[in-house]
Amino acid sequence: DVKVTQSSRYLVKRTGEKVFLECVQDMDHENMFWYRQDPGLGLRLIYFSYDVKMKEKGDIPEGYSVSREKKERFSLILESASTNQTSMYLCASRNRVNTGELFFGEGSRLTVL
Amino acid sequence: GQSLEQPSEVTAVEGAIVQINCTYQTSGFYGLSWYQQHDGGAPTFLSYNALDGLEETGRFSSFLSRSDSYGYLLLQELQMKDSASYFCAALQQAGTALIFGKGTTLSVSS
Repeated sequence: DVKVTQSSRYLVKRTGEKVFLECVQDMDHENMFWYRQDPGLGLRLIYFSYDVKMKEKGDIPEGYSVSREKKERFSLILESASTNQTSMYLCASRNRVNTGELFFGEGSRLTVL
Repeated sequence: GQSLEQPSEVTAVEGAIVQINCTYQTSGFYGLSWYQQHDGGAPTFLSYNALDGLEETGRFSSFLSRSDSYGYLLLQELQMKDSASYFCAALQQAGTALIFGKGTTLSVSS
């Protein structure tokens, strides 16, 4: 089974802190994604990476950056957390570029105080 | 702009059939996916339609009409465990990310 693992299930941070959300997949997938999910807004794309060291901005990249140094790991970084970044963050991976099948992690619920 | 529209809520009883519609407006279109998400859980993949027509997988079926920019998810013989949120998501072109709708909350009662 494909496994996408997000390092933290729940985090509480203070405004201005730097936050790292880690995601690891074990199936050698080339594409990886970060979405945030908020009630009534669905899933919104923050960044995605189609290969190591490659990244593309999604619909809401402001306030976020990403790192993909190894194929299996895709990190989301909040340089200076703000309260409006309180959300559920979902990492996903995909094995083929021409398919709509994503494999999601369990999510990281971030609260910024 | 690009958007996917789906109803916010649907209710049904056990054993019934329910159809969740999704209309999309995107700058390009490659295919339409459906995902299920239970409360507190991760979204899980249900189906992907790249061609027009109906795809059946057990109790769930998914339909796509490219000419109408429309698709639906059909759930048959509803069970309580089908109570969840369902998302349609469009793939604009190969290699890009999925754009998700806002989700439909399905409540199944006995």
